Amino acid sequence: AQSVAQPEDQVNVAEGNPLTVKCTYSVSGNPYLFWYVQYPNRGLQFLLKYITGDNLVKGSYGFEAEFNKSQTSFHLKKPSALVSDSALYFCAVRPPRDTGTASKLTFGTGTRLQVTL
Amino acid sequence: DGGITQSPKYLFRKEGQNVTLSCEQNLNHDAMYWYRQDPGQGLRLIYYSQIVNDFQKGDIAEGYSVSREKKESFPLTVTSAQKNPTAFYLCASSITSGSTDTQYFGPGTRLTVL
Repeated sequence: AQSVAQPEDQVNVAEGNPLTVKCTYSVSGNPYLFWYVQYPNRGLQFLLKYITGDNLVKGSYGFEAEFNKSQTSFHLKKPSALVSDSALYFCAVRPPRDTGTASKLTFGTGTRLQVTL
Repeated sequence: DGGITQSPKYLFRKEGQNVTLSCEQNLNHDAMYWYRQDPGQGLRLIYYSQIVNDFQKGDIAEGYSVSREKKESFPLTVTSAQKNPTAFYLCASSITSGSTDTQYFGPGTRLTVL
């Protein structure tokens, strides 16, 4: 069975500093990995995904994520954090081979990012 | 959130009542999904549908029912059999059910059982 771990419930960073939100996964074979962001009382917004190719994936709002197969990680990063980046971030994983069933994402428990002035 | 609407935004229910949550999409997506979100637990899949008139149980389907009579609509009924229905419910859709397809989410419905 596939699983996702987000080891930090909360990450605190000062505006202008780089940020990292950690994600590790467990799945058979090569995974498909996703990051979503959720603002209070809102749905999830898609940030980026890794399917294949370059291990560094660039996404929306200046975010990027690095896929590391040996460490089974897919950490979300941003070079310079903004106060408006404060939100709940979810990592999700899908196994690579689908038997024809719908896309069944497995989500982590989420990491709250707090960016302060 | 664009393209997927959920209603109502807030819903209150008395114990023993069934309630239906609406999900509509105008993205022409084939696949649709319902998730439940509880604090500290991430999202859990309730039901999903790959095409019209077809749907499958997710990980926590007990106490829920769905229908998919139209491509753009995937309503979720929370029945009185659901033991702990208070939660935030999210609907999503994707172009197909393919492995690489991104799921896009609606704004959610917060259900509270009184």
